[in-house]
Amino acid sequence: DAGVIQSPRHEVTEMGQEVTLRCKPISGHDYLFWYRQTMMRGLELLIYFNNNVPIDDSGMPEDRFSAKMPNASFSTLKIQPSEPRDSAVYFCASRSSGQGSDEQYFGPGTRLTVT
Amino acid sequence: QKEVEQNSGPLSVPEGAIASLNCTYSDRGSQSFFWYRQYSGKSPELIMSIYSNGDKEDGRFTAQLNKASQYVSLLIRDSQPSDSATYLCAPRRAYSSASKIIFGSGTRLSIRP
Repeated sequence: DAGVIQSPRHEVTEMGQEVTLRCKPISGHDYLFWYRQTMMRGLELLIYFNNNVPIDDSGMPEDRFSAKMPNASFSTLKIQPSEPRDSAVYFCASRSSGQGSDEQYFGPGTRLTVT
Repeated sequence: QKEVEQNSGPLSVPEGAIASLNCTYSDRGSQSFFWYRQYSGKSPELIMSIYSNGDKEDGRFTAQLNKASQYVSLLIRDSQPSDSATYLCAPRRAYSSASKIIFGSGTRLSIRP
């Protein structure tokens, strides 16, 4: 398996622009997580899905952030409008609820810079 | 009080010595505990999980859990330069019907030759 795939790997945008981050989880995994990592705040859980349904979005910073999972193999995290404080590395991770597996597999991340 | 507390480091350990990484957590309902390793510029990867009080060994790694003290640690024996990374402690809340885990801010470990 190719692992969790994220695109783009790097994104530089100007304040006020819309940003869309994409994630393809590992095939067969029924949980998908979006994290944000910064030096100041560490690794924060933004939202997670189970079987394509959002379960907990309490970590989403504000209404500028939205996430969707239209099917089992694709999810997006959108920021509109973007602000400089959104600059961070955004990770997507997936996990199977199958017995014997507790590991979350992380994608390579998207480094977002908002100028 | 933070949900997960870790010393940010850097923790500098000579090659071949034992590195000891510590973590305390505030949620008494936590039942599962994970240690993730993150190399600079890379994504986190799971290296150890522990669910019961006591020690769990896997190769050069030993995880220790004390739920009464709300304390979990990771020992790395015979430290190698390749162990230089940030180690993230991550408890999982037991009452969650799903699998939300909370990551600590991590301890940066540096193994000096």
